[in-house]
Amino acid sequence: QKEVEQDPGPLSVPEGAIVSLNCTYSNSAFQYFMWYRQYSRKGPELLMYTYSSGNKEDGRFTAQVDKSSKYISLFIRDSQPSDSATYLCADKAPGSARQLTFGSGTQLTVLP
Amino acid sequence: GAGVSQSPSNKVTEKGKDVELRCDPISGHTALYWYRQSLGQGLEFLIYFQGNSAPDKSGLPSDRFSAERTGGSVSTLTIQRTQQEDSAVYLCASSLQGGPGANVLTFGAGSRLTVL
Repeated sequence: QKEVEQDPGPLSVPEGAIVSLNCTYSNSAFQYFMWYRQYSRKGPELLMYTYSSGNKEDGRFTAQVDKSSKYISLFIRDSQPSDSATYLCADKAPGSARQLTFGSGTQLTVLP
Repeated sequence: GAGVSQSPSNKVTEKGKDVELRCDPISGHTALYWYRQSLGQGLEFLIYFQGNSAPDKSGLPSDRFSAERTGGSVSTLTIQRTQQEDSAVYLCASSLQGGPGANVLTFGAGSRLTVL
């Protein structure tokens, strides 16, 4: 079993839709949770970063963490064609300086 | 520099040849990571450099893979006797050493390797 599981999609939605992207993790030591966005032929870029349970909002994006069920989500409101990308969740345990554990990524297409 | 720079952006090589991939991290970032991303796959950790400490090589898939970091800055990932299964995008990332910034990785655009 992978430490971080993510539905690979692909996911296709119409412009303006609310998008829900999800990951589950198995390592209860994970305390830091991130979402990276990766456009085609580009490196991943950090989108959201949280280290606690609950919601964190940034513009049209909301990251949600539920540590009790080891479930993290990214919601995109009023989705735009420019949101079309692969979204990767990433987790990290405190004191684990060496690396993040990434999900396999969900490919999202927002249709105009 | 302003971002993480990787070269070459694309490399096509023949099976059995050696390749070198270069990463120039953000100035002041003491942590440097190499990841591999195969088609439709997530990021596979390869190696991690942290300041002057011994690198964490636990993710290197075989002894054909090696990496070095000179002067605490530029890093080179070397793949010897390349195989077709080595075809992937090799991503380099850097971060600050401590505090919350250590969790924020800045990635380069990657080096796309194709082994024929």
